[in-house]
Amino acid sequence: EPEVTQTPSHQVTQMGQEVILRCVPISNHLYFYWYRQILGQKVEFLVSFYNNEISEKSEIFDDQFSVERPDGSNFTLKIRSTKLEDSAMYFCAGQRVNYGYTFGSGTRLTVV
Amino acid sequence: GQQLNQSPQSMFIQEGEDVSMNCTSSSIFNTWLWYKQDPGEGPVLLIALYKAGELTSNGRLTAQFGITRKDSFLNISASIPSDVGIYFCAGQTRSNTGKLIFGQGTTLQVKP
Repeated sequence: EPEVTQTPSHQVTQMGQEVILRCVPISNHLYFYWYRQILGQKVEFLVSFYNNEISEKSEIFDDQFSVERPDGSNFTLKIRSTKLEDSAMYFCAGQRVNYGYTFGSGTRLTVV
Repeated sequence: GQQLNQSPQSMFIQEGEDVSMNCTSSSIFNTWLWYKQDPGEGPVLLIALYKAGELTSNGRLTAQFGITRKDSFLNISASIPSDVGIYFCAGQTRSNTGKLIFGQGTTLQVKP
């Protein structure tokens, strides 16, 4: 069964550094999302992406965050200058119309 | 913002017992989804509900989309040890696409 693939599975970074989280959605997905889950908490929406542009973003998704789909397959989330509170699991998801989301298995980001 | 209240927060049951969990909201949702999350993994879709009043089954799982569109429940019958995990409800305001609002999760433990 097709999967949404996320890399790396775990990233440790110094506070203030830039990180790029990568996702390869399923080929027939049209809508793409990033979510995060702070340890022990619920999953929170960050941003949705459709037709090569952001369609919606949450309050969490401030100027430090950006998304790209540079080559039609990879979907990336960049955090420009990481803070301690950015430590979380980051989930990519893809969707085609009339179907539920497919989530990736996540990237655990640890900011030290 | 929109919030989902999910209960109970945790359950510890005997193998073979039935389980019920629910989500309520002050806002209307057009889609309700139920996910299961295993440790270190992304949420996996269990059941999707698209119409108010809809009752849908997936094996031992049954979920209903409340008639007011402000609530949903998930039942698991004859629980088994592999049912252990965190169950999340999620609501979507658009019919098939767009961000998900997640509940806080129900942690289920099953004693063999």
